[in-house]
Amino acid sequence: EVQLVESGGGLVKPGGSLRLSCAASGFIFSDAWMTWVRQAPGKGLEWVGRIKRKSGGGTTDYAAPVKGRFTISRDDSENTVYLQMNSLKTEDTALYYCTTGYCIGTRCHYDDAFDIWGQGTMVTVSS
Amino acid sequence: QSALTQPASVSGSPGQSITISCTGTSSDVGGYNYVSWYQQYPGKAPKLMIYEVSNRPSGVSSRFSGSKSGNTASLTISGLQAEDEADYYCSSYTMSSTLVVFGGGTRLTVL
Repeated sequence: EVQLVESGGGLVKPGGSLRLSCAASGFIFSDAWMTWVRQAPGKGLEWVGRIKRKSGGGTTDYAAPVKGRFTISRDDSENTVYLQMNSLKTEDTALYYCTTGYCIGTRCHYDDAFDIWGQGTMVTVSS
Repeated sequence: QSALTQPASVSGSPGQSITISCTGTSSDVGGYNYVSWYQQYPGKAPKLMIYEVSNRPSGVSSRFSGSKSGNTASLTISGLQAEDEADYYCSSYTMSSTLVVFGGGTRLTVL
């Protein structure tokens, strides 16, 4: 079964740090580009950032609001992608999802169509 | 404020058709055929319904269709059913450093 399971969320004070994890199973993780998307309470979806496969350079890209504060990394031996969040702000409060692209045949839509989603992990930034 | 503009809500009766619009710019919706649509029930993760403007992933009902004209993409749901009541989000690839932008979401109510 294809599955993504996020963990690591919690309550943190402004200026604090948190590391989220996303464990993958049921597909070839090392081939996949992995993306983080967040959703503030009662609000819409927001793309956070993405990491490519290591054979493609493992390149990362980030949304403007988190660039310089958040870092995405991956451990292919553990089939896990991470989101390190530093200098957290109250506006970072959200449910954080990891996701990956829709693949049909050998073509995968890693940067435009997200097919596999986790259940999300909640991050609350508050004093 | 979201990068893509969607109506906050739409409604329709069972059996009817509804259309949800998603307006962007030439830097996103108008510049690429990489518009996707997602369905989200309360407390659940989003589900991909349409990709590349008008393609349906396997398993998605043919009642869902997508199109695009200029900077505006549209999702049409025909033969509305009670189970279609959910939030719908559009997204587009964009040329900015934020690679993907989403719409603010549309709440569909089936009357």
